[in-house]
Amino acid sequence: QSALTQSASMSGSPGQSITISCTGTSSDLHGFNFVSWYQQHPGKAPKLIIYEVTDRPSGVSSRFSGSKSGDTASLTISRLQVEDEADYYCTSYTTNSTWVFGGGTKVSVL
Amino acid sequence: QVQLVQSGAEVKKPGSSVKVSCKTSGATFSTHAINWVRQAPGQGLEWMGGVIPMFGKRNYAQNLRGRVTFTADESTSTAYMELSSLGSEDTAVYYCARGDEMATITSSFKYWGQGTLVTVS
Repeated sequence: QSALTQSASMSGSPGQSITISCTGTSSDLHGFNFVSWYQQHPGKAPKLIIYEVTDRPSGVSSRFSGSKSGDTASLTISRLQVEDEADYYCTSYTTNSTWVFGGGTKVSVL
Repeated sequence: QVQLVQSGAEVKKPGSSVKVSCKTSGATFSTHAINWVRQAPGQGLEWMGGVIPMFGKRNYAQNLRGRVTFTADESTSTAYMELSSLGSEDTAVYYCARGDEMATITSSFKYWGQGTLVTVS
């Protein structure tokens, strides 16, 4: 199972919005709505911020939103804040009854 | 609240095996999938597989099948991941993670352990 495809890095200024994309195939993203996004700060465990494409766990800021179209899922971070600087990973359930992660996107807040 | 607490760091010789534990507290253990995810230094996340203790159902990442074993002790609410034939490429932080939904491997990973560093050298 190949990894989902994410841009290696993105940047934005405080207050701006950025959208991270995650591209898969018919065996994963396209076929399932079990798509999640995780935020990871250096030296910390990942944190779930979006699940089932669009849902946010309790306590996660509404500035984070998710969507999906065809083979591509997206995570939008609105009103970018300094503390949003982190690595972001998408993941999808697959037809092999496995999970596959994207390679990760490093978000910098300039 | 749900907490996952993992065993401490390990240093292993190439060719040996390592066994990492993950103890759940604050929630039902046997009905929820425990997944294992690893992260090599400076690299991304890699799903290794998971187990639903109550059903004994296990799923494995294709590239690790045959080298990794997932077990669970319901009496102590502890899951274990054992990886054999270790090589330098297995040096990584190993995480356990579980979701909120019962009896399914499709539940996203809401709760994570603190990670266990395994160094193969």
